[in-house]
Amino acid sequence: DTEVTQTPKHLVMGMTNKKSLKCEQHMGHRAMYWYKQKAKKPPELMFVYSYEKLSINESVPSRFSPECPNSSLLNLHLHALQPEDSALYLCASSQVGAGADRNTIYFGEGSWLTVV
Amino acid sequence: AQSVTQLGSHVSVSEGALVLLRCNYSSSVPPYLFWYVQYPNQGLQLLLKYTSAATLVKGINGFEAEFKKSETSFHLTKPSAHMSDAAEYFCAVSGTSNNNDMRFGAGTRLTVKP
Repeated sequence: DTEVTQTPKHLVMGMTNKKSLKCEQHMGHRAMYWYKQKAKKPPELMFVYSYEKLSINESVPSRFSPECPNSSLLNLHLHALQPEDSALYLCASSQVGAGADRNTIYFGEGSWLTVV
Repeated sequence: AQSVTQLGSHVSVSEGALVLLRCNYSSSVPPYLFWYVQYPNQGLQLLLKYTSAATLVKGINGFEAEFKKSETSFHLTKPSAHMSDAAEYFCAVSGTSNNNDMRFGAGTRLTVKP
C-alpha cells in the first residue's frame, strides 16, 4: 500500500468551479510533488516543494495553485479549468538532498479529474 | 539536462518468456535511474533504482536492470513473464542536485499473452 494518500480519487468539476486536490504523506519526507498524467503518456512534473517552499514551477498556468501547509500536506487548488486539464493528477514525496535514496520518489494512487 | 528514451512503446511476450524493456539515458554526469510500473487505474510503483553501488540491480516481482555506462543503457528484464506483469513501465532519471526534477521516458506497455 502506498504511503502517499490522495483525495478525492475522482473529481468532476465545471469550468467555473473551484475545487482542491489533497495529498498527505507520513514518511517524514520534506519534498513533495505534483505531476499531471494524460492517458497513455508519462507523468509531467508540475510543482516541487522542498521544506514547504516552492522550488520548481514548470510554467504551470495560474489556474493551478499549489499549497504546502506543512511538511505532510500538499494541496492543489483548481479554478477556471479547461476540459483539456482533465487528467490523472499524481502527488508524490521524497527525501531532500543528493543521492539515489534521497532522489527516490514515492507516488500516491492519483486523483482522476474530469473538467466538463 | 538529463533525459531517458524508451525504445518500443509496446512490447508483447508470451507467458513464461523473457521480458526485455529498453531504456537509454542522456546525462552529462552519472545519473540516478529508476524503473516504475503503473497498473491500470493506479499510481506509479517503484520497481528498482540504480544507486551506483552495483551495476546489476534487483527489484520487486523478479525484475532486474543492468546499468551499462558504455551503452548509456538501463534495460529492464525478467526471465519469465507472468500475466500479472501486464502494465505500463516507465524509466526515469533524476539529477544529482538537491532539487529533484525526475523526468520520465514515454513508457512501454507490456502485454503478456497466455
